[in-house]
Amino acid sequence: EIVMTQSPATLSVSPGERATLSCRASQSVSSNLVWYQQKPGQAPRLLIYGASTRATGIPARFSGSGSGTEFTLTINNLQSEDFAVYYCQQSGNWPTTFGRGTRVEIK
Amino acid sequence: EVQLVQSGAEVKKPGESLTISCKASGYRFTDYWIGWVRQMPGEGLQWMGIIYPGDSDARSSPSLRGLVNISVDKSTSTAYLQYSNLRAWDTAMYYCARLQSSTWPPLDAFDIWGQGTMVTVSS
Repeated sequence: EIVMTQSPATLSVSPGERATLSCRASQSVSSNLVWYQQKPGQAPRLLIYGASTRATGIPARFSGSGSGTEFTLTINNLQSEDFAVYYCQQSGNWPTTFGRGTRVEIK
Repeated sequence: EVQLVQSGAEVKKPGESLTISCKASGYRFTDYWIGWVRQMPGEGLQWMGIIYPGDSDARSSPSLRGLVNISVDKSTSTAYLQYSNLRAWDTAMYYCARLQSSTWPPLDAFDIWGQGTMVTVSS
């Protein structure tokens, strides 16, 4: 199965700054890449699918890019509610697999 | 409102079996795959399996084959996860989630998540 590697494990960012999260697949998944946000005590929330399409209701400060094996989630102008853990998931090969997550914390 | 509501927390002993329910509402239950994902304490997400309520076509992770059974009751729009021979390392939060498409293979994003069911396995 495809291994998803996220980096860094933890990212310290000041409010108002930009956060750049990476996700790498062990083999190509084309554009079949999904990003979720998870806050403590909550279920994951869908942010991005198809590598770059924002889910319903997701603010424009969240953007996704990449294809093949290298993907990026960018969060511009970080708000207090954006400090959370972010997971990537590949939806290109069976079975689907998730990364181990990147924690975005307040600097 | 589209939602998935899961059954409550469980405490089990090693070797016991577990059944978790996931009741769907606000959409046509038979039109979307329902998956199960678990999250061990402080860890990431692990895909466990998936089922299409329309015809009960179910698949589970190879690493869990033989331990997991996924089923549905269309009359109540409820999906079930049965897990046998629990071990301490199965202690985790278990989530059901709806796949946002109904295509085959069931590879897509999970757009609706249940609130989670905490399962503790301890002697």
